[in-house]
Amino acid sequence: GNSVTQMEGPVTLSEEAFLTINCTYTATGYPSLFWYVQYPGEGLQLLLKATKADDKGSNKGFEATYRKETTSFHLEKGSVQVSDSAVYFCALKENSGGSNYKLTFGKGTLLTVNP
Amino acid sequence: DAGVTQSPTHLIKTRGQQVTLRCSPKSGHDTVSWYQQALGQGPQFIFQYYEEEERQRGNFPDRFSGHQFPNYSSELNVNALLLGDSALYLCASSLVRGADTQYFGPGTRLTVL
Repeated sequence: GNSVTQMEGPVTLSEEAFLTINCTYTATGYPSLFWYVQYPGEGLQLLLKATKADDKGSNKGFEATYRKETTSFHLEKGSVQVSDSAVYFCALKENSGGSNYKLTFGKGTLLTVNP
Repeated sequence: DAGVTQSPTHLIKTRGQQVTLRCSPKSGHDTVSWYQQALGQGPQFIFQYYEEEERQRGNFPDRFSGHQFPNYSSELNVNALLLGDSALYLCASSLVRGADTQYFGPGTRLTVL
């Protein structure tokens, strides 16, 4: 079955540091890949997505590139801010055609950014 | 533009009871999915509704059931509650055609005592 593996947290950084959160996946076919962010006490917000190999998703300074050869979708940001403190989830949706809507999530990575 | 809304925000029940959670999708969306997020874990897919029918189901027992109404809103029902059902229940909505992107509500925190 499909699965997503994220780097274990928590990750603690100082403001303006470089961020990488690793994500690898196992899936049949060519899934769509997502990063969601969850701020304390809130639901999930879509951060970025990529739907095919070599696509780069980007939003709010965050980037991730769909790497089919390494089955990875690592999240990066060049300079984090305190407001980026949250839990980050990597997810995939299998593109099996027809009516597949199921998102498969990783366990999440807690990021804390200190001033 | 109203986002996905869920009610109630918090709920406390005892073992064996039944619970109903509600979700209104984002304006213009016709598909609703439900997820269970246990503490410290990623969300797990429960099921998805479109055109008032369950279209896809995750690995959850029959105690979990749902419904979608003609206005696209949805309910999640859980019978015979167990302690292990304590979790954040998330509703997500999408368009059938644009189902790559799902928009999540704030969730309902269910505590089973």
